Amino acid sequence: SQELEQSPQSLIVQEGKNLTINCTSSKTLYGLYWYKQKYGEGLIFLMMLQKGGEEKSHEKITAKLDEKKQQSSLHITASQPSHAGIYLCGADFYGGTSYGKLTFGQGTILTVHP
Amino acid sequence: AAGVIQSPRHLIKEKRETATLKCYPIPRHDTVYWYQQGPGQDPQFLISFYEKMQSDKGSIPDRFSAQQFSDYHSELNMSSLELGDSALYFCASSSLLERGKETQYFGPGTRLLVL
Repeated sequence: SQELEQSPQSLIVQEGKNLTINCTSSKTLYGLYWYKQKYGEGLIFLMMLQKGGEEKSHEKITAKLDEKKQQSSLHITASQPSHAGIYLCGADFYGGTSYGKLTFGQGTILTVHP
Repeated sequence: AAGVIQSPRHLIKEKRETATLKCYPIPRHDTVYWYQQGPGQDPQFLISFYEKMQSDKGSIPDRFSAQQFSDYHSELNMSSLELGDSALYFCASSSLLERGKETQYFGPGTRLLVL
């Protein structure tokens, strides 16, 4: 979706390296969701950010939402092969005709080499 | 904890046939969303229901219809199937009262293959 741009499209890192995935919205966000997906499988909820400047962490994954609530980043520290997969950001925009429906970014394919 | 349940997990149909996908939301969730994810694409919103009423409609073909029942489960009915309908179909559920909280969870998806 052009409303939500995710970068990079793919990322190949060596195990133990840090990495960052970005998600930029053309509109103000009510909420920003991060999911992980193994190819052909379901979306695993990682984190949800709503407040400007908010930052959340779970294990080695940290997500931040900027003050203007239009950009989010997902940072993985000391990556492991288990982190490999497709990372998707999903935006819940202000306004619109319904609450909660998500518009997704194009996804980032992460490969972690042992 | 209970998650979103979808059935069937896999479905193979011929062109022009019909298919029905089912979604059982997390207990106490009142809103259901349907998404379609084509190969190598991001999920695209199809339709949503709140309290058994359609709340929003996205890029859903006229050949598709959906409804939410009194027990909050939802069904996506797809008729005159085309090859391009082959995709992963996800259902997600949430609670409107808890919008903004971490309650939007996805089911495992139904993989539909149209031959």
